[in-house]
Amino acid sequence: AQKITQTQPGMFVQEKEAVTLDCTYDTSDPSYGLFWYKQPSSGEMIFLIYQGSYDQQNATEGRYSLNFQKARKSANLVISASQLGDSAMYFCAMREGTQRSGNTPLVFGKGTRLSVIA
Amino acid sequence: GAVVSQHPSRVICKSGTSVKIECRSLDFQATTMFWYRQFPKKSLMLMATSNEGSKATYEQGVEKDKFLINHASLTLSTLTVTSAHPEDSSFYICSARDGDRINYNEQFFGPGTRLTVL
Repeated sequence: AQKITQTQPGMFVQEKEAVTLDCTYDTSDPSYGLFWYKQPSSGEMIFLIYQGSYDQQNATEGRYSLNFQKARKSANLVISASQLGDSAMYFCAMREGTQRSGNTPLVFGKGTRLSVIA
Repeated sequence: GAVVSQHPSRVICKSGTSVKIECRSLDFQATTMFWYRQFPKKSLMLMATSNEGSKATYEQGVEKDKFLINHASLTLSTLTVTSAHPEDSSFYICSARDGDRINYNEQFFGPGTRLTVL
């Protein structure tokens, strides 16, 4: 079963508008972390934002915010005031267990390609 | 933030040859390293997890004799694609984790290596 589901293969947004990229996850572990990464055409993975399963507040990092709905098991990324440079692939990822737990890797969703239109 | 380098960034080789990809953590000691593979317009798929000084743990379906991983030091892991074939052409990304960090964002990605097998 897929642990991370991103249902939007592609999204378009007008420059300066906000956009929400969807992510749902599946785990039975009470401790987990949720991540969003941006991958431009160059291929590098750029960390955007993190949300821990026990965090009470939704994470925010500049123009990025994470809409964490634990009961629904969703962790949507909201990008405000979109810029042309935001055009890229966006991946949602999860790590199960505590942040110091063993060798647990990040598991990625299939990604969403965001295109920002001028 | 921590820096992970990969070398080479691009490699083209003939079918049947072996290719070695290096992953280095430049300013921290990486007790654990992960190797991912990414096909065009696809997600990152975990290939294996390696710990310094021990054998790598391979994901199901990944041939350990074909993808040799060596994590001989705390700053270097290598992935060798042996007897490469065109279907091995892909983008390979390493990720390093610093076991001493308590920061949640402790998994850092290299810039990737694009392998093309002719």
